[in-house]
Amino acid sequence: EDKVVQSPLSLVVHEGDTVTLNCSYEVTNFRSLLWYKQEKKAPTFLFMLTSSGIEKKSGRLSSILDKKELFSILNITATQTGDSAIYLCAVLNDYKLSFGAGTTVTVRA
Amino acid sequence: DAGITQSPRHKVTETGTPVTLRCHQTENHRYMYWYRQDPGHGLRLIHYSYGVKDTDKGEVSDGYSVSRSKTEDFLLTLESATSSQTSVYFCAIRAGPSYEQYFGPGTRLTVT
Repeated sequence: EDKVVQSPLSLVVHEGDTVTLNCSYEVTNFRSLLWYKQEKKAPTFLFMLTSSGIEKKSGRLSSILDKKELFSILNITATQTGDSAIYLCAVLNDYKLSFGAGTTVTVRA
Repeated sequence: DAGITQSPRHKVTETGTPVTLRCHQTENHRYMYWYRQDPGHGLRLIHYSYGVKDTDKGEVSDGYSVSRSKTEDFLLTLESATSSQTSVYFCAIRAGPSYEQYFGPGTRLTVT
């Protein structure tokens, strides 16, 4: 059975702090790992990582994958209140995504 | 916006009644998915489709059926709704340069 575990489940930070979110996985036929951001609506796609050691960046967000140790991290630097959301990690096998339970990030002004 | 709509957006129904949720896409994507989201569980796959009349089960398919008679529509049916099926239901399509999935706006279903 595919398994995706995210940690921590939730955290509260202040504006300007840096946040690191973790995602570990055990899946068959791994293709890629995806990160999504979910505010009070549908998840929106952030990154897809396929290769180990290559960092993906988008503004203040960055992510990296370690296929040997089977985990990924998502970093958010200089956090803003608009970063408050649930961050979902998912692993893609041939045709389907297996999601973790998500990390709820709350950024206080 | 991946051109996905879901209907209805909110529904309250009684235990034992059948319910059908609709997902409509405008961009001719082959793969479509139904997920449910519950606190503490993330998103869990119910069923998916890889073409017209081609469907398969996901990890939580009991009590649900699907149909896809044309490319643009993927229907999810709860044969006899139960309170455990109270959830938010998301439809998704597989698209993008790396075949990532994009989600519809969701349907909040409450079974009383």
